[in-house]
Amino acid sequence: AQKVTQAQTEISVVEKEDVTLDCVYETRDTTYYLFWYKQPPSGELVFLIRRNSFDEQNEISGRYSWNFQKSTSSFNFTITASQVVDSAVYFCALSDRQGGKLIFGQGTELSVKP
Amino acid sequence: NAGVTQTPKFRVLKTGQSMTLLCAQDMNHEYMYWYRQDPGMGLRLIHYSVGEGTTAKGEVPDGYNVSRLKKQNFLLGLESAAPSQTSVYFCAGRQAGGFYNEQFFGPGTRLTVL
Repeated sequence: AQKVTQAQTEISVVEKEDVTLDCVYETRDTTYYLFWYKQPPSGELVFLIRRNSFDEQNEISGRYSWNFQKSTSSFNFTITASQVVDSAVYFCALSDRQGGKLIFGQGTELSVKP
Repeated sequence: NAGVTQTPKFRVLKTGQSMTLLCAQDMNHEYMYWYRQDPGMGLRLIHYSVGEGTTAKGEVPDGYNVSRLKKQNFLLGLESAAPSQTSVYFCAGRQAGGFYNEQFFGPGTRLTVL
């Protein structure tokens, strides 16, 4: 069965600290896609990044970076120099071949305090 | 473009009442999805559609029905609401093609069943 686990339920940091959100997944597929979404306090879901199973290159976008490691089935998300506006719930998700359904982790609520 | 919209934004029902949630999109999405979000459980798939006139069950389909008579609309129905259906409901859509395409989410509907 496919599964996504985000073991960190809540994380609290002070502004400018670096923070890493963990994501571990399970799948039997050899081709799969992983996603991160952000849900700010306003409630909408915002797509952040997609990564396919054949591309293990790390990705950096401004203060955000993602580390994909197939050997440990992990797709971790790091925010460098966090800001108050980063406060949100972050979801990691795995795309299912059947219909492209997303299997979500439980989410990690990040609180960045000034 | 409005993107993915949901109607209504909020609703309070009494146990046993029925209602329909409407999802509309103007992004030419072939695939559409209904998820529910509950605290500590991430988002779970209720039903989905891979094209006009098609529907399929997701992870938690009991108590819900769906219809996709037109490509741009995906309706979620509750025939006899129960308190366990109190949740935030999200509709999403994505383009046809591989399951690597990201899903675009609507703003959500907060439903309370008393």
